[in-house]
Amino acid sequence: GNSVTQMEGPVTLSEEAFLTINCTYTATGYPSLFWYVQYPGEGLQLLLKATKADDKGSNKGFEATYRKETTSFHLEKGSVQVSDSAVYFCALSDPGSGYSTLTFGKGTMLLVSP
Amino acid sequence: KAGVTQTPRYLIKTRGQQVTLSCSPISGHRSVSWYQQTPGQGLQFLFEYFSETQRNKGNFPGRFSGRQFSNSRSEMNVSTLELGDSALYLCASYPGGLASSYEQYFGPGTRLTVT
Repeated sequence: GNSVTQMEGPVTLSEEAFLTINCTYTATGYPSLFWYVQYPGEGLQLLLKATKADDKGSNKGFEATYRKETTSFHLEKGSVQVSDSAVYFCALSDPGSGYSTLTFGKGTMLLVSP
Repeated sequence: KAGVTQTPRYLIKTRGQQVTLSCSPISGHRSVSWYQQTPGQGLQFLFEYFSETQRNKGNFPGRFSGRQFSNSRSEMNVSTLELGDSALYLCASYPGGLASSYEQYFGPGTRLTVT
């Protein structure tokens, strides 16, 4: 079956530091990959996505590249802000199944201090 | 466009009771999925509805059920509540057609507490 593994948190950084959150996946087909972010007390917001190998998703300074050879989709940002403090979820869906069902990682909490 | 809305936002119920949660998808979206979020199990898929038909289901007991109406609004029901059903229940929608990009848009969730 499909699965997603994320690095455990919390990740604690100072403002303007470089961020990497690792994500690897296992899938039987050719999944689409997503990063979602959840702020305290809120639902999930789509941050970025990639639908095929070597695609790079980017949004709000965050980026992630779909690496089929290493089955990875690591999230990066060059300079984090306090407002980036949230929980980040890596997820996949398998369009080949005909379903949109998302399989999520456990989430990584990011704490950014001034 | 208005986003996905869920009602109520917070709910407190007693063990053994039943509960109904509601979700209104983004206008034009025909697919609605439900997820349960708990600290221990993380985010788990419950079921998906498309055009009033359940087309995928996760690994949850039969106490969890849902339905979708002709206007794409969806409800989920949990009967005979257990303490372990305390969770944030998230609803997500997407267009659901053959050309779908599979991006799902989530609502704010309903926080259910079972005492």
